[in-house]
Amino acid sequence: GENVEQHPSTLSVQEGDSAVIKCTYSDSASNYFPWYKQELGKRPQLIIDIRSNVGEKKDQRIAVTLNKTAKHFSLHITETQPEDSAVYFCAASTSGTYKYIFGTGTRLKVLA
Amino acid sequence: DTGVSQDPRHKITKRGQNVTFRCDPISEHNRLYWYRQTLGQGPEFLTYFQNEAQLEKSRLLSDRFSAERPKGSFSTLEIQRTEQGDSAMYLCASSLEYPNTEAFFGQGTRLTVV
Repeated sequence: GENVEQHPSTLSVQEGDSAVIKCTYSDSASNYFPWYKQELGKRPQLIIDIRSNVGEKKDQRIAVTLNKTAKHFSLHITETQPEDSAVYFCAASTSGTYKYIFGTGTRLKVLA
Repeated sequence: DTGVSQDPRHKITKRGQNVTFRCDPISEHNRLYWYRQTLGQGPEFLTYFQNEAQLEKSRLLSDRFSAERPKGSFSTLEIQRTEQGDSAMYLCASSLEYPNTEAFFGQGTRLTVV
């Protein structure tokens, strides 16, 4: 069945450094890849997404890259700040099914 | 807050009791999803509605679980004869009908079965 693997499970970086989180998906028909940020006790919120017809998307300090051949996509956060500390989830979705398959999450800690 | 709302936020129940949760999606959203999230894990898909039609159910959804969306607006998720393994955060999300579109999550209902 569909599966999304996410690494690392925890990541600690110094404030100002970059953070990279990687995900691999199994369903080659997947064509939509959102990233969600979940702060403690709060709902997951979309921070960036990418569709399969593009290889990279950037929004200020956040970027996502997609390699369809290898079936993996990555989240890049530059100039990290303490408020970036949260759990980040990647997900994959396929047109026609519309459900989102989530990775297991990465707990990011930005150390001041 | 005009986003997705869920009720109750917390529920503690004894093993064997039935519980029902409610989700009110964003009003113009046709699609509604239920997910379950346990500590340290990502949301696991349970079921999905397009308007009032339940289009897909996960194998995770045993016969004790049932979901409805009678008028294509709010949805309910019922768990019968709860077990300790049902303890989790139950998240509802909604989205527009178009493919590849953002799903907006509610704050969830945390269920504890004692």
